[in-house]
Amino acid sequence: DTGVSQNPRHKITKRGQNVTFRCDPISEHNRLYWYRQTLGQGPEFLTYFQNEAQLEKSRLLSDRFSAERPKGSFSTLEIQRTEQGDSAMYLCASSSLRDPYEQYFGPGTRLTVT
Amino acid sequence: AQKVTQAQTEISVVEKEDVTLDCVYETRDTTYYLFWYKQPPSGELVFLIRRNSFDEQNEISGRYSWNFQKSTSSFNFTITASQVVDSAVYFCALDDSGGGADGLTFGKGTHLIIQP
Repeated sequence: DTGVSQNPRHKITKRGQNVTFRCDPISEHNRLYWYRQTLGQGPEFLTYFQNEAQLEKSRLLSDRFSAERPKGSFSTLEIQRTEQGDSAMYLCASSSLRDPYEQYFGPGTRLTVT
Repeated sequence: AQKVTQAQTEISVVEKEDVTLDCVYETRDTTYYLFWYKQPPSGELVFLIRRNSFDEQNEISGRYSWNFQKSTSSFNFTITASQVVDSAVYFCALDDSGGGADGLTFGKGTHLIIQP
């Protein structure tokens, strides 16, 4: 499978714990995006990488959230001191420099904070 | 600020009926892209179509067709002869950041239910 992959697919954690999600984009894609989707809503943009550089961050990305893409390949999204409001589906997408407008989405990581 | 409105929260039709999903957008930019994505129960967003702001030609792909009208800021999606497999949540999205740098702005989605 050469699509975008995300791990884990599901994560249940207790409030106050830290969690980390991983996204592996399509191999030749240099752009990577993180979105958050809550129940009954469309995805909301969180942050964007071009290669290893984080070029854009939404105001939704509070200081408890941090994202990295150390070698311009896979990316991680960490949430520190999780809150119940962080419960959502976290989606990763990637696109190529050749066609930046077509974003391919992964299956998402569903986070439940109890 | 950009905004995408999908006023229909849920639509239920019987198989083989035609159905139209509405999308209205707001942007101050003259150059932008519009998209439709399908999200089946598995959760993965599936790309359906992209349209740029300079191309108002309607497009047909099999049973799917799209009607883009700049005058009314709408980009509606019609499924002809619907099938049960079309059941999903459909999202309309907008990119006016010149290449995705600000991500896509999505509507809230329309849950389409096709009954056998």
